[in-house]
Amino acid sequence: EPEVTQTPSHQVTQMGQEVILRCVPISNHLYFYWYRQILGQKVEFLVSFYNNEISEKSEIFDDQFSVERPDGSNFTLKIRSTKLEDSAMYFCASSEVGGVSNQPQHFGDGTRLSIL
Amino acid sequence: QKEVEQDPGPLSVPEGAIVSLNCTYSNSAFQYFMWYRQYSRKGPELLMYTYSSGNKEDGRFTAQVDKSSKYISLFIRDSQPSDSATYLCASPKNTGNQFYFGTGTSLTVIP
Repeated sequence: EPEVTQTPSHQVTQMGQEVILRCVPISNHLYFYWYRQILGQKVEFLVSFYNNEISEKSEIFDDQFSVERPDGSNFTLKIRSTKLEDSAMYFCASSEVGGVSNQPQHFGDGTRLSIL
Repeated sequence: QKEVEQDPGPLSVPEGAIVSLNCTYSNSAFQYFMWYRQYSRKGPELLMYTYSSGNKEDGRFTAQVDKSSKYISLFIRDSQPSDSATYLCASPKNTGNQFYFGTGTSLTVIP
């Protein structure tokens, strides 16, 4: 069964450094998402991406975050200057379609980001 | 605003028991409801996907939506130790792609 793959599985970074989290969505999916889950808390939406642009973003997704689809298969989340509070699991997801009648989103296994 | 609420548990049942997991939601415009299962150190895995009110059955799993009370349920029949995981309910924002998740209920099925 097709799946969303994320790399690395664990990233340790010094505060203030830039990190790039990578995702390969399911190949025929058109909508891509990033979520994060701080330990013990809810899965929280960060951003959705369609047709090479951001379609929706949450309040969490401020200027230090950016997303990109650099080629036909990868989808990346960049955090420019990491803070301690950015430590969390980051999940990438994809779906065939989006909007109100969207198909379910399929999630990768996440990247655990630890900021020191 | 707490769009989707879920009792975090933990819930512990003997093997073979019927499990009932529940969520409530606040926005009456929500129409689509998902249940995800999340094993430790893994991503959420889609279990069930329902639209509007009513029941949907898939093997040992039944998802139920009661829009009048804004209540979502997942029933697991003949529970197995392999069902031990955290179960997340979710619903998409009515005008976009953002999913709202509950906090998840941790379930342990004891052999």
